[in-house]
Amino acid sequence: QVTLRESGPALLKPTETLTLTCSFSGFSLNTSGVSVNWIRQPPGKALEWLARIDWDDTKYYDTSLETRLAISKDTSKNQVVLTLTNIYPVDAATYYCAREMATIVDFWGQGTMVTVSS
Amino acid sequence: DIQMTQSPSSLSASVGDRVTMTCRASHSINKYLNWYQQKSGKAPKLLIFFASSLRSGVASRFSGSGSGTEFTLTISSLQPEDFATYYCQQSYTTPRTFGQGTRVEIK
Repeated sequence: QVTLRESGPALLKPTETLTLTCSFSGFSLNTSGVSVNWIRQPPGKALEWLARIDWDDTKYYDTSLETRLAISKDTSKNQVVLTLTNIYPVDAATYYCAREMATIVDFWGQGTMVTVSS
Repeated sequence: DIQMTQSPSSLSASVGDRVTMTCRASHSINKYLNWYQQKSGKAPKLLIFFASSLRSGVASRFSGSGSGTEFTLTISSLQPEDFATYYCQQSYTTPRTFGQGTRVEIK
């Protein structure tokens, strides 16, 4: 059974760094063809793809955010970490992690809501 | 980056109606197109992958078609549990991009 769960702070101040952890089970990020994506959704708005890390540690980022984003994995802990530096109020959103296998994003976590306020 | 455009942005329909929505890609994405359903306050759920393959466990009233730049999601007979927002996503290249969604509302 594949499950993913996001965790991290619910409230940050502007200019702080957001660090989110995706803890997963039921699959291995050592398996060829497996990736984990981060996707966010501002309140009332559409889904926005942020980043992806592949089984071989290849990393991809959204073009407009790549200078502020970093993704990493710890396969021994079955975790993927996303950091977003210099956070703004526009970064307030629900952040999801999701498994991708052979280009299919098939399982999603429940999401974690992040608020940015001074 | 490949831009994904969904239409309409919202539609009103009744239970039992046939509903169709469209997703267009700014460049050809072959058949690397996924459809998701999202209900309020919940994570998206995968319905269709590779443009027309129905995910196991998803009701057969959902179907997808298309290739290249134009894709369609059809619900053959709308059920009460289908009122939600539907998103397309291309998985042809990175960055992966989503459409803006089509909200299906009760008439």
